[in-house]
Amino acid sequence: KNEVEQSPQNLTAQEGEFITINCSYSVGISALHWLQQHPGGGIVSLFMLSSGKKKHGRLIATINIQEKHSSLHITASHPRDSAVYICAVNRGAQKLVFGQGTRLTINP
Amino acid sequence: DAGVIQSPRHEVTEMGQEVTLRCKPISGHDYLFWYRQTMMRGLELLIYFNNNVPIDDSGMPEDRFSAKMPNASFSTLKIQPSEPRDSAVYFCASSLGPRGYTFGSGTRLTVV
Repeated sequence: KNEVEQSPQNLTAQEGEFITINCSYSVGISALHWLQQHPGGGIVSLFMLSSGKKKHGRLIATINIQEKHSSLHITASHPRDSAVYICAVNRGAQKLVFGQGTRLTINP
Repeated sequence: DAGVIQSPRHEVTEMGQEVTLRCKPISGHDYLFWYRQTMMRGLELLIYFNNNVPIDDSGMPEDRFSAKMPNASFSTLKIQPSEPRDSAVYFCASSLGPRGYTFGSGTRLTVV
């Protein structure tokens, strides 16, 4: 079993829908990251969380340390949100362990 | 800032050849990471440096892989000899302490 599990693996939705991507982890962490990878391949760091909730534009990330679970929400989704979203956790210091990614497709 | 700069963007080489990937981190960042991404295994940490010193190289697949960071503004990842199974996208990233990471655009390596 992977230390970081994401669900769903693939998600297709219509423009405007509210999107939720989930991440569960099985190890102690110091922080959790949400990354975005567009079809061109570049990786962008969206959020770094150690507790609570963070918001940036239409993106919201939450984490529940007790339940070892995080969610990434996208409100009013748009085709430009289509990308692979990757959850990663810091296992001590700076070492990142990655989930397998969620491929999101938003249709117009 | 220009961000993390990797070169080359694409590399195609023949099996057995030496390959060198290059990375320039963001100025002032004290951590540098090398990651590999494949369809089968996703993203994996290969090695990371703190203040130019290698801290954890447990992800380096075998002796054919080596990484150096001779100064704060430059790092290399070398594969010698290269094999087809090394084909992947190699990402470099840097960070300032425990803050968020900035990734380079990646080098797509194809070994034929």
